[in-house]
Amino acid sequence: DTGVSQNPRHKITKRGQNVTFRCDPISEHNRLYWYRQTLGQGPEFLTYFQNEAQLEKSRLLSDRFSAERPKGSFSTLEIQRTEQGDSAMYLCASSPLNSGANVLTFGAGSRLTVL
Amino acid sequence: EDQVTQSPEALRLQEGESSSLNCSYTVSGLRGLFWYRQDPGKGPEFLFTLYSAGEEKEKERLKATLTKKESFLHITAPKPEDSATYLCAVQANTWETSYDKVIFGPGTSLSVIP
Repeated sequence: DTGVSQNPRHKITKRGQNVTFRCDPISEHNRLYWYRQTLGQGPEFLTYFQNEAQLEKSRLLSDRFSAERPKGSFSTLEIQRTEQGDSAMYLCASSPLNSGANVLTFGAGSRLTVL
Repeated sequence: EDQVTQSPEALRLQEGESSSLNCSYTVSGLRGLFWYRQDPGKGPEFLFTLYSAGEEKEKERLKATLTKKESFLHITAPKPEDSATYLCAVQANTWETSYDKVIFGPGTSLSVIP
């Protein structure tokens, strides 16, 4: 297993376009997280899946954002009608299902630039 | 609401100059406190998990400690390769839907000068 994989690594788009990011977690990990990170800030929680179920979504997340995890494997994060304020690094992380604290393994991130 | 703050925002050290980074947290019940390291352009990399007050963990030049409201990351005799952003995160211990949510602080950017 090569860890958490994210694609594309960098996306440049014009305001108003839709973009989609893909995350392939570590295969045996049941939990999958999406975070957004802007320069000089820590990762901000967006949403979380356990297998294919989306269990929590940040109240700060606009309706333009949607995430899916069909069949509990890879996940996609779609942003519709992008705005300049959406420019950020989008990080995916996964963790195994256990009763302890969730140690997250992160991917390298997908950087979005909205012109 | 669960919250994590970190200080200082940025820290410059001479090689060999030991120091500490602070993480203050407010959670309804702590399930775990984490330290991660993040290099520019990369995702955070896990360092430590601490579960209860009084616990300590060490890895090379790094030592993490935990009290009821704070955690410290002590860096002893740092080297230039320790330069990175250090992130603190917490996971609350509640049976509500936020049971598995991990919340990050803003990070401390550490620069170690040769």
